[in-house]
Amino acid sequence: DAGVTQSPTHLIKTRGQHVTLRCSPISGHKSVSWYQQVLGQGPQFIFQYYEKEERGRGNFPDRFSARQFPNYSSELNVNALLLGDSALYLCASSLVQTNTGELFFGEGSRLTVL
Amino acid sequence: GDSVTQMEGPVTLSEEAFLTINCTYTATGYPSLFWYVQYPGEGLQLLLKATKADDKGSNKGFEATYRKETTSFHLEKGSVQVSDSAVYFCALSGDTGKLIFGQGTTLQVKP
Repeated sequence: DAGVTQSPTHLIKTRGQHVTLRCSPISGHKSVSWYQQVLGQGPQFIFQYYEKEERGRGNFPDRFSARQFPNYSSELNVNALLLGDSALYLCASSLVQTNTGELFFGEGSRLTVL
Repeated sequence: GDSVTQMEGPVTLSEEAFLTINCTYTATGYPSLFWYVQYPGEGLQLLLKATKADDKGSNKGFEATYRKETTSFHLEKGSVQVSDSAVYFCALSGDTGKLIFGQGTTLQVKP
């Protein structure tokens, strides 16, 4: 069975540009979350979507936005890129929105901002 | 707000040595606690979890016990292998299911 898939795996942008990252959850999973992992640190929560509605948002500026589609896939958009946005962006899916269940992570999209 | 603190790494051990990675947390309510592992070149994967006080999570020889009185969830393994070399993350989950991670601890096991 396919796990969580993310695209692209690597990308390079320049300051001020826009980026869209994509995520396909495990089949049947209805909850998708996004995390930012800066080198040497733990992942930081950005967004959570469940049944296509935003259910949580972390402490990130409005330049960050996301959405979930009817097929439960998701996009993370970042506008006006800054050097500090360079990171590994992780998508995670779960069957339902719960605090006891396992999150299944993709391998991430590594964004470099020059 | 809720937070997780892990011991600083890297931790370097010889094969078959005993491993402890300390993790303490601050949280309101009754969070679930997790250890995730990130092997080189791979995504994060759940190693073990505990959902209430005094629960012990275990997997692949690793164990951790949810200690409410000391707000801790230390990871232990009796005999590490080279294949255990990875970055280990302690995390907690509140009511909404979002995970709050520690900064990660790199484990290097030498033959």
